[in-house]
Amino acid sequence: DAMVIQNPRYQVTQFGKPVTLSCSQTLNHNVMYWYQQKSSQAPKLLFHYYDKDFNNEADTPDNFQSRRPNTSFCFLDIRSPGLGDAAMYLCATSTSTVFEQYFGPGTRLTVT
Amino acid sequence: GQNIDQPTEMTATEGAIVQINCTYQTSGFNGLFWYQQHAGEAPTFLSYNVLDGLEEKGRFSSFLSRSKGYSYLLLKELQMKDSASYLCAVRSPTNAGKSTFGDGTTLTVKP
Repeated sequence: DAMVIQNPRYQVTQFGKPVTLSCSQTLNHNVMYWYQQKSSQAPKLLFHYYDKDFNNEADTPDNFQSRRPNTSFCFLDIRSPGLGDAAMYLCATSTSTVFEQYFGPGTRLTVT
Repeated sequence: GQNIDQPTEMTATEGAIVQINCTYQTSGFNGLFWYQQHAGEAPTFLSYNVLDGLEEKGRFSSFLSRSKGYSYLLLKELQMKDSASYLCAVRSPTNAGKSTFGDGTTLTVKP
């Protein structure tokens, strides 16, 4: 089945230690998104790729970076995680004609 | 900017009907989504409205009034598995698929 895959599902990192979360998709969608979601809050868009074009949200901290080496893969890099970065990180995809987003299962990040 | 309001929590009885409202104030509008999110899981797509009116899909229906900045999700014949958070999301006209989400309405279905 076509899907969005995120690895790992659970990630524990230490304060200040860089961490990378990965997302892959077999849907061949040209748009990929990264969201941060904290408990009982809305998913907050960090950035998205429209094809190879990177679009950063104005309020996304510089601590968060992203890479999309090809259509199928996208990475979220947190350069120096703080305690406030503990959250669920959701990857999603869509196309420019089919607008609903398909979400991966998420990576729950814990910062110790 | 976008401002999206939904009730925080709702409770309903199994077999009943529940309506979850969403109001929005946006600088642009290009459609409204409803997603379902079970605790600890990713959101899943339920419906998309871009024109005024009611869209029906099985037990779930979604309504949109663009002039009023208002939508609702109607769930019929409630089942225990419908206990989840329901997220309203407004699509921006400027970026394909980019959406702003409300905080969600946590629905609890009781026997």
